[in-house]
Amino acid sequence: ETGVTQSPTHLIKTRGQQVTLRCSSQSGHNTVSWYQQALGQGPQFIFQYYREEENGRGNFPPRFSGLQFPNYSSELNVNALELDDSALYLCASSPLGPANYQETQYFGPGTRLLVL
Amino acid sequence: DQQVKQNSPSLSVQEGRISILNCDYTNSMFDYFLWYKKYPAEGPTFLISISSIKDKNEDGRFTVFLNKSAKHLSLHIVPSQPGDSAVYFCAASGRGIQGAQKLVFGQGTRLTINP
Repeated sequence: ETGVTQSPTHLIKTRGQQVTLRCSSQSGHNTVSWYQQALGQGPQFIFQYYREEENGRGNFPPRFSGLQFPNYSSELNVNALELDDSALYLCASSPLGPANYQETQYFGPGTRLLVL
Repeated sequence: DQQVKQNSPSLSVQEGRISILNCDYTNSMFDYFLWYKKYPAEGPTFLISISSIKDKNEDGRFTVFLNKSAKHLSLHIVPSQPGDSAVYFCAASGRGIQGAQKLVFGQGTRLTINP
């Protein structure tokens, strides 16, 4: 069974640029969530995707957007990068869908983004 | 507004002793709680969870206790081993919160097990 994978592992961008991060969910998992973890903080929920649609969003501006594909993999896109976007971006997958809220999310290793 | 709080940024415990990590929450809509462990350069690894219908859940060396009236949960690790040294995050979720499967995390507690 393959776990959650993310690419790239590290990325350096400059302010104003755009970035796309990728996530492959764990085998059999149909729901993908994205989190931002700033240094010294806990992860913060960005949004969740289920059946290729956004299902719930945290307190992040519209320049954070995403996609989910038919194979349940997902992308996180961030436009007009700001210095404060520097963080570890984590993807998590879960198997049953948002209605089953009492289920565990399994995390990938993350993508560390540095904005200069 | 920090809805999940881990008030101890760090904890140091002797190998073989009990480690107790604490977590408080403010939102009464939370009814499912999880603990994750995180090593540097890795994503959080799921440890153990508890539903609000229970007050205790045990898995090997790990036990989570939930006190709903106090809105408090704790993770006990017995006996503590050097490999337990990591950052531990408490997380909560609940029906009715926007994005039903959204996890709300605490700030983490860095646990160091001394030989």
